Amino acid sequence: GEDVEQSLFLSVREGDSSVINCTYTDSSSTYLYWYKQEPGAGLQLLTYIFSNMDMKQDQRLTVLLNKKDKHLSLRIADTQTGDSAIYFCAESPPRGSQGNLIFGKGTKLSVKP
Amino acid sequence: KAGVTQTPRYLIKTRGQQVTLSCSPISGHRSVSWYQQTPGQGLQFLFEYFSETQRNKGNFPGRFSGRQFSNSRSEMNVSTLELGDSALYLCASSPTGFGYGYTFGSGTRLTVV
Repeated sequence: GEDVEQSLFLSVREGDSSVINCTYTDSSSTYLYWYKQEPGAGLQLLTYIFSNMDMKQDQRLTVLLNKKDKHLSLRIADTQTGDSAIYFCAESPPRGSQGNLIFGKGTKLSVKP
Repeated sequence: KAGVTQTPRYLIKTRGQQVTLSCSPISGHRSVSWYQQTPGQGLQFLFEYFSETQRNKGNFPGRFSGRQFSNSRSEMNVSTLELGDSALYLCASSPTGFGYGYTFGSGTRLTVV
């Protein structure tokens, strides 16, 4: 497909793990990103993974990359109410275009106490 | 280290007017990209500037334009505003662009009435 796809909503209980999935479009994308957006705010870079990696861990965040299926996931361990936000997956395709990211529509994560 | 600064934060304009938004990148960053965020279309790439030159452009009408100054600060202009231009406009800066190292500002919320 032509779009970066994410499920729109995810609801979890505080303390559980959250897994947000994304399917991207270009198998030659060099970097894949996860951004977080809180209400009324801009985009905060959470983590990124280079295309030659399968996994990256950063404190409570684990990113898994399956290049064959063009699938990216973000796992948040011990999810807290402060993690409630919209999470965007983005790819950086090298198809002659420089300086632009292609974003999914975002997954709204709701964390219940 | 100061982040990406966008001014103003909020703006209300009347249909048919024009508007100029400003973005000051992180010191040392030479690439500035602009994105439009709307509930319906999500995050869409407008254009990218590097060393005062537009290096890449998204699929927006010519009413949307931008420029970059020698200090890397960037402005975007929208002429003949339409109701559909109401959106959050986000600026991102990067040392070089090329799909890496983007830091976003908090955005300018433009409302066209």
